[in-house]
Amino acid sequence: QKEVEQNSGPLSVPEGAIASLNCTYSDRGSQSFFWYRQYSGKSPELIMSIYSNGDKEDGRFTAQLNKASQYVSLLIRDSQPSDSATYLCAVKAGNNRKLIWGLGTSLAVNP
Amino acid sequence: DGGITQSPKYLFRKEGQNVTLSCEQNLNHDAMYWYRQDPGQGLRLIYYSQIVNDFQKGDIAEGYSVSREKKESFPLTVTSAQKNPTAFYLCASSIAGGFSSYNEQFFGPGTRLTVL
Repeated sequence: QKEVEQNSGPLSVPEGAIASLNCTYSDRGSQSFFWYRQYSGKSPELIMSIYSNGDKEDGRFTAQLNKASQYVSLLIRDSQPSDSATYLCAVKAGNNRKLIWGLGTSLAVNP
Repeated sequence: DGGITQSPKYLFRKEGQNVTLSCEQNLNHDAMYWYRQDPGQGLRLIYYSQIVNDFQKGDIAEGYSVSREKKESFPLTVTSAQKNPTAFYLCASSIAGGFSSYNEQFFGPGTRLTVL
């Protein structure tokens, strides 16, 4: 079982819709969770970090964490073509110095 | 203007050559990291450093070497022992490393290395 799993996609949504990206993790001791956006040929850019159960909102982005079910999700409201990218989920366990990375979900927002 | 810089953006290496990739940050971050990204494989950690003059191997350290003589700088050398070095190399930094839970990592623009 992979430590951090994401659906590779591509996930295709129309412009203006809500895009929902999911990530599951295997280590119940995980404490910190991060979403990064990576455009083709570019480096990852941090979008959101979340540490507590529940929702965290930042503009059009909402991260949702459920530690009991071991998943973290990212919602993108009013999706724009400029949101088309690969979204990477990263998880840090409480006793681990390293981030564990998912392989990413490719999102395509169609005009 | 704070950030992380990597140079060069593109690098071409002949078989048997060592090359050094530069990474500099002016964010006053303690921890720095080197990752390698290959298509379909995600980010893999090569080396990381939590403080000056100290660094640890990541998951794929063979064929690579690093130094951390200054807080701002964490150069990566790709040696001739690295059998398949063609990849996208990413440097990152965070305020603190180690067991700190709040470990947001910020990335430089990357160096694309191609072996000829």
